[in-house]
Amino acid sequence: AQSVTQLDSHVSVSEGTPVLLRCNYSSSYSPSLFWYVQHPNKGLQLLLKYTSAATLVKGINGFEAEFKKSETSFHLTKPSAHMSDAAEYFCVVSVDNAGNMLTFGGGTRLMVKP
Amino acid sequence: GAVVSQHPSRVICKSGTSVKIECRSLDFQATTMFWYRQFPKKSLMLMATSNEGSKATYEQGVEKDKFLINHASLTLSTLTVTSAHPEDSSFYICSATSSGPQYFGPGTRLLVL
Repeated sequence: AQSVTQLDSHVSVSEGTPVLLRCNYSSSYSPSLFWYVQHPNKGLQLLLKYTSAATLVKGINGFEAEFKKSETSFHLTKPSAHMSDAAEYFCVVSVDNAGNMLTFGGGTRLMVKP
Repeated sequence: GAVVSQHPSRVICKSGTSVKIECRSLDFQATTMFWYRQFPKKSLMLMATSNEGSKATYEQGVEKDKFLINHASLTLSTLTVTSAHPEDSSFYICSATSSGPQYFGPGTRLLVL
C-alpha cells in the first residue's frame, strides 16, 4: 500500500520569497515520487520526478525536491516565487519506475502575493 | 514533449443523457490510458485503467456500467458517462503512457443539470 500526505492545503508567499511545499509518503516498496502542477482548468504538468537516482531532483521552472528516506519526505522548493507559480501542486507516489498506478496527495494551493 | 488532448473541454448536459469524452495521444502511441475524476478543490481519484484492445480495469467503487471506457486504438480512449446525474458533475482528466511516465490531458469539465 502507498499513500501521500501533503501537509498544507494552502500556502501563501510573497513574490520573490522562497517556496516550500511539504510532502510525506508511505510505501511498502521503493517508491518513485513526482510533483505535478495544475493551473486552473488545466491538465497536470510534470515538474520533476525521483526514481532512485540522485536524491536532490531538479525540475522545470526552478523547482527542486529532495528525497529523504529517513524522513519519508519529498518536499518541493523554489528559491524565489513568481506570480506565474500560483497553482495547485500535487505530490504523487508510484511503486513502479514507469509511473503507473499513481497515488495522489490532496494537493497544495500556492498563492503568490505581489 | 508528449501531448494528450481531450474533447470536449467542457460540456453541459441534461440529467438522464449520456456524454462521451475523448482522450487522444497526439504524438505517441499510448498502450495504456487512465481516467481520473477530480472533485472541486480535491485531488485526483483514479477511476479506471485501460489498455488498448482489452477491457478496462475499474477501481473499487466505480460503476463500470455507468462509466463506459473504450480504448479502440493506440491513440484514442473514450469515456462515456451514461444516464448522467448531477452528482456526476466533475472534472474528468485522462492520462496516457507508452510505458514511460503518464502524460495528462487538459481535462473535461462536465456539468449535469
